[in-house]
Amino acid sequence: GNSVTQMEGPVTLSEEAFLTINCTYTATGYPSLFWYVQYPGEGLQLLLKATKADDKGSNKGFEATYRKETTSFHLEKGSVQVSDSAVYFCALRDSGGGADGLTFGKGTHLIIQP
Amino acid sequence: DSGVTQTPKHLITATGQRVTLRCSPRSGDLSVYWYQQSLDQGLQFLIQYYNGEERAKGNILERFSAQQFPDLHSELNLSSLELGDSALYFCASSVGSGGPTDTQYFGPGTRLTVL
Repeated sequence: GNSVTQMEGPVTLSEEAFLTINCTYTATGYPSLFWYVQYPGEGLQLLLKATKADDKGSNKGFEATYRKETTSFHLEKGSVQVSDSAVYFCALRDSGGGADGLTFGKGTHLIIQP
Repeated sequence: DSGVTQTPKHLITATGQRVTLRCSPRSGDLSVYWYQQSLDQGLQFLIQYYNGEERAKGNILERFSAQQFPDLHSELNLSSLELGDSALYFCASSVGSGGPTDTQYFGPGTRLTVL
């Protein structure tokens, strides 16, 4: 079946530090990959996505590249801010048929200290 | 604001009871998805409706059911509630029936507490 693995944290960084949150996946088909962010007390917001190998998704300074050879979609940001504190979810949707819902990782709690 | 609305925001009920959660998709979206977020299971896909018809099923219990109405809003019915059903229930919507470019947009969620 499909699965997504990501570090759960919490990950604590200082403001302006470099961020990497690792995400690896297994899928039966050829998935699309997503990063969603959940701020305290809110729903999930789409941060970025990539639909095919070597695609790079980017938004608000965050980037992630779809690496089929390593089945990875790591999230990076060059300089984090306190406002980036949130829970980040890596997710996939398999195009190989079957259920069309998203498969999520457990989420990574990111804390940015001033 | 994603444009997806969910009511109520909070719901507190007792074991054995039945509740209904409501979701209105973004304008123009035909698909509605339901997800459950709990501490032990994480975020799990429950079910998808597309233009009034069930499209895909995930880890939905038999005690749970859903439907999508002609105006495209959806309801998730949870019956014979157990303590373990306490969770955040999210609704998401998308334009199409699925596929690599069919992005899902999430509502703010309904927090269900079963006492």
